[in-house]
Amino acid sequence: QITLKESGPALVKPTQTLTLTCSFSGFSFTTIGVGVGWIRQPPGKALEWLAVIYWDDDKRYSPSLQSRLTITKGTSKNQVVLEMSNMDPVDTATYYCAHTLSVGYIDYWGQGTLVTVSS
Amino acid sequence: DIQMTQSPSTLSASVGDRVTITCRASQSISSWLAWYQQKPGKAPNLLIYKASSLEIGVPSRFSGSGSGTEFSLTISSLQPDDFATYYCQQYNSYPWTFGQGTKVEIK
Repeated sequence: QITLKESGPALVKPTQTLTLTCSFSGFSFTTIGVGVGWIRQPPGKALEWLAVIYWDDDKRYSPSLQSRLTITKGTSKNQVVLEMSNMDPVDTATYYCAHTLSVGYIDYWGQGTLVTVSS
Repeated sequence: DIQMTQSPSTLSASVGDRVTITCRASQSISSWLAWYQQKPGKAPNLLIYKASSLEIGVPSRFSGSGSGTEFSLTISSLQPDDFATYYCQQYNSYPWTFGQGTKVEIK
């Protein structure tokens, strides 16, 4: 059974760097094709894909946010970390991590974590 | 980036109705399209992948069709559990992009 769970601060100040951790179980990066991605959703708005990292350490980013994003595998082999720098109130959103295969659709989602950017 | 445009933005329907949601891509994405259902306060749930393949466990009243730039999601007989927001997503190329969503409301 695949599960994912996001963790990180609920509140960050403008200009700070957000660090989110995705802890997962039921799969591993030893499986060819496995990827873990991040998607966010501002309150009342649509989904926005941010980044994905694959079993072979290939990484892809949203071009509009690439300069601010870093996705890495965590120190624990069942974690993925997303860093987003220079946070702004418009980055207030629920951030989801998700499982994908290299095909590209998202078949398992975490429950999401709401991050508010405010001074 | 490939733009995904859904229509309508809101759809009012009754239990038992057949409903269709359309998703249009700004360029051809072959069949690399997924559909998700999202309920308030919950993560999205995969319904359809590769335009018409039903995810395991999803009721057969859901179906998807289309290729290239025009796609649709059909619910053959709307059930109370189906009132939700639906999103399409292209995964033909990075960045993956989502439609703006279609909210299915009770009429």
